[in-house]
Amino acid sequence: DTEVTQTPKHLVMGMTNKKSLKCEQHMGHRAMYWYKQKAKKPPELMFVYSYEKLSINESVPSRFSPECPNSSLLNLHLHALQPEDSALYLCASSQDPTGGEDYGYTFGSGTRLTVV
Amino acid sequence: KNQVEQSPQSLIILEGKNCTLQCNYTVSPFSNLRWYKQDTGRGPVSLTIMTFSENTKSNGRYTATLDADTKQSSLHITASQLSDSASYICVVSGVKGFQKLVFGTGTRLLVSP
Repeated sequence: DTEVTQTPKHLVMGMTNKKSLKCEQHMGHRAMYWYKQKAKKPPELMFVYSYEKLSINESVPSRFSPECPNSSLLNLHLHALQPEDSALYLCASSQDPTGGEDYGYTFGSGTRLTVV
Repeated sequence: KNQVEQSPQSLIILEGKNCTLQCNYTVSPFSNLRWYKQDTGRGPVSLTIMTFSENTKSNGRYTATLDADTKQSSLHITASQLSDSASYICVVSGVKGFQKLVFGTGTRLLVSP
């Protein structure tokens, strides 16, 4: 299995809703990432988990809450989002976050999130 | 400041023609450079990855070059197909020991019949 699987593919939520995005990989990768991508812009890093511990939080608002239950799963919990949070949310994983050349950096297909 | 610049921003070519996309970077220290293809609304898919010591890498009809001295890379697409229509993103990894990527803004390629 060489894929990063994201669910759902599309999500529409109201500003008072609570929802979660899920990401799964079975490549044995030890680093997992959340990115946010607006239309015609490059992905922006949000969070990094290294060996299941949060390593980087790029000053993301607290309405986004990441969780890494185990080495294969990464969640992004959403609460009280704003319409400007509508974007493509990408998950990625890489083999070794601690050093060396990493040829395994793999993105999922993304979740298209619309906040209404 | 670590930056990756791509040109052109957009490009239209006829099916079957070749094209070359450019990437200049100022990321230092340099670890590796990747080219990704991204279809609209989908995640990026890796085409090639090159380290400092590599100057050419091919993946089917895609050939990437790297000149680490001038900090330039190119992606050459041969015999373009309609399915090549996508954004092509140059991504540089500048820090060994942690995979924090610096993304270019991409080149949007449209292959027309």
